[in-house]
Amino acid sequence: AQSVTQLDSQVPVFEEAPVELRCNYSSSVSVYLFWYVQYPNQGLQLLLKYLSGSTLVKSINGFEAEFNKSQTSFHLRKPSVHISDTAEYFCAVKGSGSARQLTFGSGTQLTVLP
Amino acid sequence: DTEVTQTPKHLVMGMTNKKSLKCEQHMGHRAMYWYKQKAKKPPELMFVYSYEKLSINESVPSRFSPECPNSSLLNLHLHALQPEDSALYLCASSQGGLQGAQPGNTIYFGEGSWLTVV
Repeated sequence: AQSVTQLDSQVPVFEEAPVELRCNYSSSVSVYLFWYVQYPNQGLQLLLKYLSGSTLVKSINGFEAEFNKSQTSFHLRKPSVHISDTAEYFCAVKGSGSARQLTFGSGTQLTVLP
Repeated sequence: DTEVTQTPKHLVMGMTNKKSLKCEQHMGHRAMYWYKQKAKKPPELMFVYSYEKLSINESVPSRFSPECPNSSLLNLHLHALQPEDSALYLCASSQGGLQGAQPGNTIYFGEGSWLTVV
């Protein structure tokens, strides 16, 4: 079985400040990790993913996440947020074999304040 | 082009109505999914089709009936729904099918269909 824990349900932050959204996972098999973003009244968009190789992965809009196997974490960071980053962020994990379905965390609402 | 198209965007239906949600992708993906998402909650998997065959049904009530007419289309037929079925229904797809597919294959989501049952 696999599971994902997003430790913060809501993260308010001022514009241009840095932010970190935390994600921890548990799995008995090798995992593949994803961050999805959901803007208000929209579907889910893939933000970034870790499959293998470099443990630091980056998105085109300035977010990055680091896979830390020893701490079973995949935290999402951005050095300077914009109002337009306000959204719900979901961390998700896929494994192999019987654990190959996507398992989502409960989500973190990021609200960027002016 | 990673696009999954869903119609309609909004649907209001009575508890005795029959309606359908439609989903289309032209990325050559052979796995297609239906998820249900309630407000402020993560998506919950309902069904998975792999190579046009139903592979996973997550104990979904029979008032939801999926259909995969071909490799590009996925429908969700709705009948005798309850108000608690009101939610955002998300279609998704991924490369290959479930069997033999790379587990790291990304799942791409559509914009969703907002369903309200009155």
